[in-house]
Amino acid sequence: DADVTQTPRNRITKTGKRIMLECSQTKGHDRMYWYRQDPGLGLQLIYYSFDVKDINKGEISDGYSVSRQAQAKFSLSLESAIPNQTALYFCATSDPARGPGELFFGEGSRLTVL
Amino acid sequence: AQSVTQPDIHITVSEGASLELRCNYSYGATPYLFWYVQSPGQGLQLLLKYFSGDTLVQGIKGFEAEFKRSQSSFNLRKPSVHWSDAAEYFCAVGERTGYALNFGKGTSLLVTP
Repeated sequence: DADVTQTPRNRITKTGKRIMLECSQTKGHDRMYWYRQDPGLGLQLIYYSFDVKDINKGEISDGYSVSRQAQAKFSLSLESAIPNQTALYFCATSDPARGPGELFFGEGSRLTVL
Repeated sequence: AQSVTQPDIHITVSEGASLELRCNYSYGATPYLFWYVQSPGQGLQLLLKYFSGDTLVQGIKGFEAEFKRSQSSFNLRKPSVHWSDAAEYFCAVGERTGYALNFGKGTSLLVTP
């Protein structure tokens, strides 16, 4: 089983719909992240969380919200999806004891907004 | 402003040939440096990292990278490429007191027979 699991893996929705992407991890890491990947743009950080009570905005948080339900669960929501939110979304975790930046990624959730 | 640049969007090499992928960064101090690989349909996997010490670092799958402070570069190399190395490669940089990584836009590697 994957250490970082994202659901759904693929989702097609319509403009204006609310969408939730879920992430769960079995690595026991406190730090969790949501990134967005667009072709030719690399990865951009949406939100990150260092523990259940700590949520922080990344560089492109507008239009997104998150919830850290437990150490192992971190969900990303699009309250009213729009077509330019069509992208590949990645959840990642890290353990600060291993040094910053060593991220463990899920397999991604591909979202298409029509 | 802090930035990470991967000058090559696409690179094609023949199987068995050597490979070098370029990465340049602009940061105020020596950052932490990483290379990640993304195989089709997969998440990103860490290839190697540099925090301090020896400027030539070894990673998984036969890859290595060299940190050159004077050139603000962290280029990835492999002596002999295998067809399974075809993937997207991302350079990433993090501040020593920071919280997250700044990723380059990626280099897509195609390996021909």
